[in-house]
Amino acid sequence: ETGVTQTPRHLVMGMTNKKSLKCEQHLGHNAMYWYKQSAKKPLELMFVYSLEERVENNSVPSRFSPECPNSSHLFLHLHTLQPEDSALYLCASSQDEVPNSPLHFGNGTRLTVT
Amino acid sequence: AQTVTQSQPEMSVQEAETVTLSCTYDTSESNYYLFWYKQPPSRQMILVIRQEAYKQQNATENRFSVNFQKAAKSFSLKISDSQLGDTAMYFCAFSLNNNDMRFGAGTRLTVKP
Repeated sequence: ETGVTQTPRHLVMGMTNKKSLKCEQHLGHNAMYWYKQSAKKPLELMFVYSLEERVENNSVPSRFSPECPNSSHLFLHLHTLQPEDSALYLCASSQDEVPNSPLHFGNGTRLTVT
Repeated sequence: AQTVTQSQPEMSVQEAETVTLSCTYDTSESNYYLFWYKQPPSRQMILVIRQEAYKQQNATENRFSVNFQKAAKSFSLKISDSQLGDTAMYFCAFSLNNNDMRFGAGTRLTVKP
């Protein structure tokens, strides 16, 4: 299997639930990203991990908690979410030391908070 | 902060014709990277084309080409001989480094038979 794989593809959760999104990359990249995609808005960069160290956290609410146990896996732990958190969550990877290295994206997890 | 603006929320084109998608950006930096990504209904973002700001020559990839106007901070995408499979959301993106890629709000392109 190649590329970037995200699971689950769809997730419906209540505001009091705890769930996790998973991302796995098979490209040998050393950087991984979480983006939030809402309708008619630019993609919002949430978190960046480079060599398993978090290097970017764009003022994301603490109800989103990322985890990067190794360079191939990235998680986004969710708890006590709000309805406005409903969106498509995209994972991406890249080779960090290559300046114009493009991002390689997964198919995303469509999250609905009820 | 760098911003990316795509002024056309939706566009349509007849199959086999040419269409141009607009993108402008704002930065005070002189060296940076620009990208166009395509997001079909499958939701996976796919790189279409990229351009380094220090290169004056416009990038081309088969039917896709860009018109990079550095002074005007403009980076438009031209799709020639449009195909039905080109129907997708198209996102323009700007990057100083890999840790901070900024995207526009996207243009929804529909190719009509």
